[in-house]
Amino acid sequence: NAGVTQTPKFQVLKTGQSMTLQCAQDMNHEYMSWYRQDPGMGLRLIHYSVGAGITDQGEVPNGYNVSRSTTEDFPLRLLSAAPSQTSVYFCASQGQGPNTEAFFGQGTRLTVV
Amino acid sequence: AQSVTQPDIHITVSEGASLELRCNYSYGATPYLFWYVQSPGQGLQLLLKYFSGDTLVQGIKGFEAEFKRSQSSFNLRKPSVHWSDAAEYFCAVGAGNQGGKLIFGQGTELSVKP
Repeated sequence: NAGVTQTPKFQVLKTGQSMTLQCAQDMNHEYMSWYRQDPGMGLRLIHYSVGAGITDQGEVPNGYNVSRSTTEDFPLRLLSAAPSQTSVYFCASQGQGPNTEAFFGQGTRLTVV
Repeated sequence: AQSVTQPDIHITVSEGASLELRCNYSYGATPYLFWYVQSPGQGLQLLLKYFSGDTLVQGIKGFEAEFKRSQSSFNLRKPSVHWSDAAEYFCAVGAGNQGGKLIFGQGTELSVKP
């Protein structure tokens, strides 16, 4: 059982480039989320999804785009990368209800130069 | 506004000593509270959670946490720390009445002295 799989693990982008961070889960979870982790700030929610075809913004959505065409996949798109988007990105999936455990991927370390 | 505060950025304890990591939350409704641990270069792993019932909850790796509504706190404790407990610890509250939204504290980095 793979759980939550993120690719790539590391990425370096130039300012202005676009890219997609991939996230897939095999637990048939309805809820999926993207967080970014920055030193001293914990994890902050970027976007989340409550099911296929339904997404919503989190705390820090600017510069990012998401879609959820299947239950399994929840890609995060950086439209035009900026140095402020240098961060570690985590994808998470969660079962039914707000009291269930969220399972996290291993993270993607992104550097924008 | 919903928020989680972990007042201690970094804590160092000696191996075998007891540990308490503090967490305070601000949330209007009944909170769903979690503690996660992150080892270097890894994702987050759930230690324990609280959403109702007994206010003292037991988790994995010998950790426990106590929910105190009057103090808006959910402190994590361990009676005897092991060197392998060195990691970063995050307190989080589940926001909203669905899943997918967690509000995290800033994290507490734990170092363990031999």
